[in-house]
Amino acid sequence: EADIYQTPRYLVIGTGKKITLECSQTMGHDKMYWYQQDPGMELHLIHYSYGVNSTEKGDLSSESTVSRIRTEHFPLTLESARPSHTSQYLCASSPGKESEITDTQYFGPGTRLTVL
Amino acid sequence: SQQGEEDPQALSIQEGENATMNCSYKTSINNLQWYRQNSGRGLVHLILIRSNEREKHSGRLRVTLDTSKKSSSLLITASRAADTASYFCATASLLTSGTYKYIFGTGTRLKVLA
Repeated sequence: EADIYQTPRYLVIGTGKKITLECSQTMGHDKMYWYQQDPGMELHLIHYSYGVNSTEKGDLSSESTVSRIRTEHFPLTLESARPSHTSQYLCASSPGKESEITDTQYFGPGTRLTVL
Repeated sequence: SQQGEEDPQALSIQEGENATMNCSYKTSINNLQWYRQNSGRGLVHLILIRSNEREKHSGRLRVTLDTSKKSSSLLITASRAADTASYFCATASLLTSGTYKYIFGTGTRLKVLA
């Protein structure tokens, strides 16, 4: 089991609410990622970070934002949730340096978000 | 279509049989990885194969890579009910910026019947 945690595991909220999905890892990894995955579908990278104060948008356009103030913490925030945000959100981290390409990602258990 | 398409989309086999799933991709890659995902959980890394390798083994797993055909296969031998999961390939491509990106495939849902 990887030491990467996500909370909450399940979240059902109403439209318009602000939410923050938490992700923490205790492995000291510099790189962290957020993916969005609909049931039975591929993963889409929405945000990533190569270290503290470094964040980048991924391939899939997302209305969410992220921050990386501490190495171990990479929260994702939705300012105003909508039903189209309903999905599973997976957080991952990897130990390699930015230039390392043979890098294994360690995934958290995911947060399943439902917006009514 | 997506970089990293897998087939079949779903596969049901009897316990003890072998399971083969394939991944095709479009761009040049540095390496290809296979991950496993149990229902409702995160992904777990299984095996990595570099672009200069053709075959790799890990326990009951055998991965092949054919860069000329831009394809890879994952073979699980002597399958068990506990192998029931979705399996994803992920390709790593080096960008001109010097960084790299991983793209995950669409996944194969494997069900092993006891």
